[in-house]
Amino acid sequence: KQEVTQIPAALSVPEGENLVLNCSFTDSAIYNLQWFRQDPGKGLTSLLLIQSSQREQTSGRLNASLDKSSGRSTLYIAASQPGDSATYLCAVPRSGGSNYKLTFGKGTLLTVNP
Amino acid sequence: EPEVTQTPSHQVTQMGQEVILRCVPISNHLYFYWYRQILGQKVEFLVSFYNNEISEKSEIFDDQFSVERPDGSNFTLKIRSTKLEDSAMYFCASREGDRGYGYTFGSGTRLTVV
Repeated sequence: KQEVTQIPAALSVPEGENLVLNCSFTDSAIYNLQWFRQDPGKGLTSLLLIQSSQREQTSGRLNASLDKSSGRSTLYIAASQPGDSATYLCAVPRSGGSNYKLTFGKGTLLTVNP
Repeated sequence: EPEVTQTPSHQVTQMGQEVILRCVPISNHLYFYWYRQILGQKVEFLVSFYNNEISEKSEIFDDQFSVERPDGSNFTLKIRSTKLEDSAMYFCASREGDRGYGYTFGSGTRLTVV
């Protein structure tokens, strides 16, 4: 059974700092990994989708890496801003089968202080 | 950018009542899902739907739950007799295709059972 763990559970940083969020998963047989952002009481916004054949994926100030063999992914946020404050979730679909249901981590609650 | 639309955004219902949560997935997507998130907990899979039938369901998705795609655009989740423990945020999601495609989630329906 796939288990996804995110560390740290919460992170508070001053504006402008670069930061790294960590995600680990127990079953490395995955097709891809997706990072989401969730604002309080809101939906899930996809940030980055990184395929199992890729090592990195970038979008603006965000960079996600994937080390499938060790079961780890990181989300790097450069020059953080107060607007980045949210919960960041990583999720992996189960490899095999055709349903690709996602297993989520519990998330990292990020607070960027002005 | 195409969106997954969910209505209502918030629903309050009395225990034992039936509720229908509605979703309009992205029009060219083929795979449809419902997930839920109980306050403070992980996002968890409920059901997947492909080719007009349920392809997988979780242990949570018991006989009280059902899904339909009645007209080729809407995708609904019905809870026949709500319980207090059904209170959660319910997310609809869709995927364009197989394997490498990521998820697009809706903004969620917050269901409160009183």
